Amino acid sequence: QVQLQESGPGLVKPLETLSLTCTVSGDSISSHYWSWIRQPPGRGLEWVGYIYYSGSTDYNPSLKSRVTISVDTSKNQFSLRLSSVTAADTAIYYCSRGYKSTWYGYFDYWGQGTLVTVSS
Amino acid sequence: EFVLTQSPGTLSLSPGERATLSCRASQSTSSSYLTWYQQKPGQAPRLLIYGAASRAPGIPDRFSGSGSGTDFTLTISRLEPEDFAVYYCHRFGFSSFGQGTKLEIK
Repeated sequence: QVQLQESGPGLVKPLETLSLTCTVSGDSISSHYWSWIRQPPGRGLEWVGYIYYSGSTDYNPSLKSRVTISVDTSKNQFSLRLSSVTAADTAIYYCSRGYKSTWYGYFDYWGQGTLVTVSS
Repeated sequence: EFVLTQSPGTLSLSPGERATLSCRASQSTSSSYLTWYQQKPGQAPRLLIYGAASRAPGIPDRFSGSGSGTDFTLTISRLEPEDFAVYYCHRFGFSSFGQGTKLEIK
């Protein structure tokens, strides 16, 4: 069974960098698209970006200048860094496995999510 | 900008009734990458439908998806108590999810 678990600080100060790690078990990170999706409290979902195991990335254009997603295949982990955060970045951050083929694309496994609050 | 618009925002129905949720894309899109997710309070989203019409493993057959081009539909044939949740559509590879439809007990 594939499992994903987010970890990282729950509180980040404004203008600092948010850093989260997702540890994957039950699957090798050397395949699929590994993604971050966030959800502000009481609001809808927003795709942040994803990384392919080869290292290629794609980011939400509205966040692209501040986002970096990286992968550590030796630890079966991938990470999110979001710089210069503001209160608008307060959200539950989910990591997810993205499957993509010629015929289909979807997020099939999700972590439980971790709440990150931006506040001084 | 590619936008998905879901309607209605809230749907109030009783167990046993049929639910029809709509997702409209701002431009024609491949149905191969159109997905539906269910989210219950305090939980991560769960994949229901991929490829616009294929059920994910373990999803009951009362859930069905259809559509093409710009108009997609999620149908729940007979609502069970556990189906009351928020439903999101998404086009894999694009940024935005639909804003969600809250399915509540009438």
